[in-house]
Amino acid sequence: SQQGEEDPQALSIQEGENATMNCSYKTSINNLQWYRQNSGRGLVHLILIRSNEREKHSGRLRVTLDTSKKSSSLLITASRAADTASYFCATPPRGFKTIFGAGTRLFVKA
Amino acid sequence: EAGVAQSPRYKIIEKRQSVAFWCNPISGHATLYWYQQILGQGPKLLIQFQNNGVVDDSQLPKDRFSAERLKGVDSTLKIQPAKLEDSAVYLCASSFEGDTEAFFGQGTRLTVV
Repeated sequence: SQQGEEDPQALSIQEGENATMNCSYKTSINNLQWYRQNSGRGLVHLILIRSNEREKHSGRLRVTLDTSKKSSSLLITASRAADTASYFCATPPRGFKTIFGAGTRLFVKA
Repeated sequence: EAGVAQSPRYKIIEKRQSVAFWCNPISGHATLYWYQQILGQGPKLLIQFQNNGVVDDSQLPKDRFSAERLKGVDSTLKIQPAKLEDSAVYLCASSFEGDTEAFFGQGTRLTVV
């Protein structure tokens, strides 16, 4: 069973625009992780936010975490065609098991 | 730092045949995962090892799938016999601890015909 669910399922934007995708989860977590998967490449870890953090930045990525709502958002600013990929959240419950949602497919048009 | 190595990259077999995948995790990573990713879906955890012990194999179809992690390092995943619905990408990943960031291999794309 999936712990995390991403929303929207698909997103299409113009290059230079911002992209926001969300993740909701069900049980308590130690941390929440975002991954990207390009066609032809494996999954790549983007950012990890711990349960006691509310916001984290990495380059053009901004992640927020609201444990009271059991939700997280990933913001990609000034998107590029190279950001076209599927984005997954992984929400390990306390201790183990990195489990992924179904993903958000982002398409950035040049 | 060398990444997670998987082989083969591609495999085509007929249904009812057997197949094996190999994974070499990042050195020092105690946790190793095998995921199955069907086209258009997120990765589904099949089995998780902590060193050479199984932590979770609740979603592993044990009547046909088996996995082992010899000496807590390399791992193999076997399917015997394969079914058409086993067509997927099989991803191996490793992490330092169970819920820290996971590093993924390129995967093995299996096609069962």
